[in-house]
Amino acid sequence: EVHLLESGGDVVQPGGSLRLSCAASGFTFTSFALTWVRQAPGKGLEWVSVISASGEKSWSADSVQGRFIISRDNSNSTLYLQMNNLRADDTAVYFCAKASERRTVAVPLDSWGQGTLVTVSS
Amino acid sequence: EIVMTQSPATLSLSPGERASLSCRASQTVPFNLAWYQQRPGQAPRLLIYGVSTRATGIPSRFSGSGSGTEFTLTISNLQSEDFAVYYCQQYNDWPPYTFGQGTRLEIK
Repeated sequence: EVHLLESGGDVVQPGGSLRLSCAASGFTFTSFALTWVRQAPGKGLEWVSVISASGEKSWSADSVQGRFIISRDNSNSTLYLQMNNLRADDTAVYFCAKASERRTVAVPLDSWGQGTLVTVSS
Repeated sequence: EIVMTQSPATLSLSPGERASLSCRASQTVPFNLAWYQQRPGQAPRLLIYGVSTRATGIPSRFSGSGSGTEFTLTISNLQSEDFAVYYCQQYNDWPPYTFGQGTRLEIK
């Protein structure tokens, strides 16, 4: 069974930094792209960033480009999101999610973690 | 960026009825369209991908249809556990992978 467990969410001041982690198990980690999706309180889903299975390629939404960095440690089956220069509108639950097919990024997300809450406030 | 527009924002129905949820894309996405269900306090769950293919374990009362820019999620014989928020997502033209704003299906 696929299991994704996010951690690292916290309350942080505007301009601060935070690193989220997503520990994965139950599938061949090195074969699947991984994605971060966020959800502001009471709002819809917003795609944040995706990284290829190998970790060589990644893409991010314009809203976080230059501030957030997605990475992965394939030896430890862990996905990361380094979040810098945080703003109030980054406040959200951050979900990690797995691609539904091997070795491609342009596919739906078939497994999701339960999310971790990031609150940006002074 | 492809904009996904869902309608209605809220749909009020009774158990046993049939729900039709719409999703419109600002540009054609051929068959690269998925639907997700999100129950309160839970993570989203993949229901449908490729417009009409049910994900593993999804009951047959869920069906998807459409092509190009117009898509529909139909839920027949609504069960109590189906009352949730539903999102469509395109994965044809990316980044970004864009979601619709969601349709809340509530009990009438």
